[in-house]
Amino acid sequence: AQRVTQPEKLLSVFKGAPVELKCNYSYSGSPELFWYVQYSRQRLQLLLRHISRESIKGFTADLNKGETSFHLKKPFAQEEDSAMYYCALGRDTGFQKLVFGTGTRLLVSP
Amino acid sequence: NAGVTQTPKFQVLKTGQSMTLQCAQDMNHNSMYWYRQDPGMGLRLIYYSASEGTTDKGEVPNGYNVSRLNKREFSLRLESAAPSQTSVYFCASTQLGQGGEAFFGQGTRLTVV
Repeated sequence: AQRVTQPEKLLSVFKGAPVELKCNYSYSGSPELFWYVQYSRQRLQLLLRHISRESIKGFTADLNKGETSFHLKKPFAQEEDSAMYYCALGRDTGFQKLVFGTGTRLLVSP
Repeated sequence: NAGVTQTPKFQVLKTGQSMTLQCAQDMNHNSMYWYRQDPGMGLRLIYYSASEGTTDKGEVPNGYNVSRLNKREFSLRLESAAPSQTSVYFCASTQLGQGGEAFFGQGTRLTVV
């Protein structure tokens, strides 16, 4: 079964501080991992996916299969990063049944 | 290009009433989903449709039914609403070969009193 764990419900940091949102997964197959973000009054949207290995809005995430983790990191948080962040797990081939974690609310204070 | 459109945006129901949430996508995606979002619970999959003509239960299907009317539309029905179904409902769609990116609707905030 697919499972995603985000241990922090709320992460509060000051502007300019580093941020790490944790995500651990459980899946017997080859996983595909995503981070989705939901800004206030906006719909959920894709932030980044592990296969792209790209940096979006300064965020990066590395898939660590040994630790079954996909933590989201940003070296210097900005106020506009305040949002709800969801880690999601899918399969690497075929139909994608995305399973989401419980989400972490990031609050960046000035 | 509207993407994924859900109707209605808000709804208040009395316990026992029925209603259908509508979802349509214009991206020619094969797969569609219904999630509910509750505080502290994240997004939980209610039902999904891998392709036109098929539907399957997700994590929390009890009290719901779905219809994949055609490739564009995927509706969610509450036959007899209960207060426990108070939630925000999201429809999403994905297409194979696009890295699994899901596109979401704007959500339906449902309150059952």
